[in-house]
Amino acid sequence: SQQGEEDPQALSIQEGENATMNCSYKTSINNLQWYRQNSGRGLVHLILIRSNEREKHSGRLRVTLDTSKKSSSLLITASRAADTASYFCATAMNTGFQKLVFGTGTRLLVSP
Amino acid sequence: DTGVSQDPRHKITKRGQNVTFRCDPISEHNRLYWYRQTLGQGPEFLTYFQNEAQLEKSRLLSDRFSAERPKGSFSTLEIQRTEQGDSAMYLCASSLWTGGRAVETQYFGPGTRLLVL
Repeated sequence: SQQGEEDPQALSIQEGENATMNCSYKTSINNLQWYRQNSGRGLVHLILIRSNEREKHSGRLRVTLDTSKKSSSLLITASRAADTASYFCATAMNTGFQKLVFGTGTRLLVSP
Repeated sequence: DTGVSQDPRHKITKRGQNVTFRCDPISEHNRLYWYRQTLGQGPEFLTYFQNEAQLEKSRLLSDRFSAERPKGSFSTLEIQRTEQGDSAMYLCASSLWTGGRAVETQYFGPGTRLLVL
């Protein structure tokens, strides 16, 4: 079963605009990770944020985590057509055993 | 580092047939995971290995499914007597766990897309 949901389910923007995706989850976590999946392909790891962190940056990506609200957001700044993909958040409840529980994903379309 | 590879990339089979998928993890990675992803959904955990030991299995993994990781390197996932509901993308991931409370990153392969007719 899915841990939670991403919002929106689909997002369409123009190149150069920012894209924000939100993820909600249900249980306490050890860490939360964001992955990208191009159509019909495997997942690419983007960023990991631990439960004791509130914000993390990697290039054009900014992730926030609010454990009190059990939610996270992924911001992609200055989007490019190549950012078109599905984005999933995944949570890990424990250290030691990192079974990832994925959300339902946000489909991002960036038009030139 | 050639990444995680999976074979075959696509498989079409008839209901009732057996299929086997292979996953080659990143060398030196001690953990290997299998996930299943149906259309429009996120991946769901099936099972994982630490070295050659299978340590956890999801309830999704019925007795028609079996996974192995002999010698702690590549892994195979076999589905016996396939059903149409088995149609999905089967994803493999590997990671290097350094012990204790270490957090690891899972690196995914391209997946095997199974269609059961």
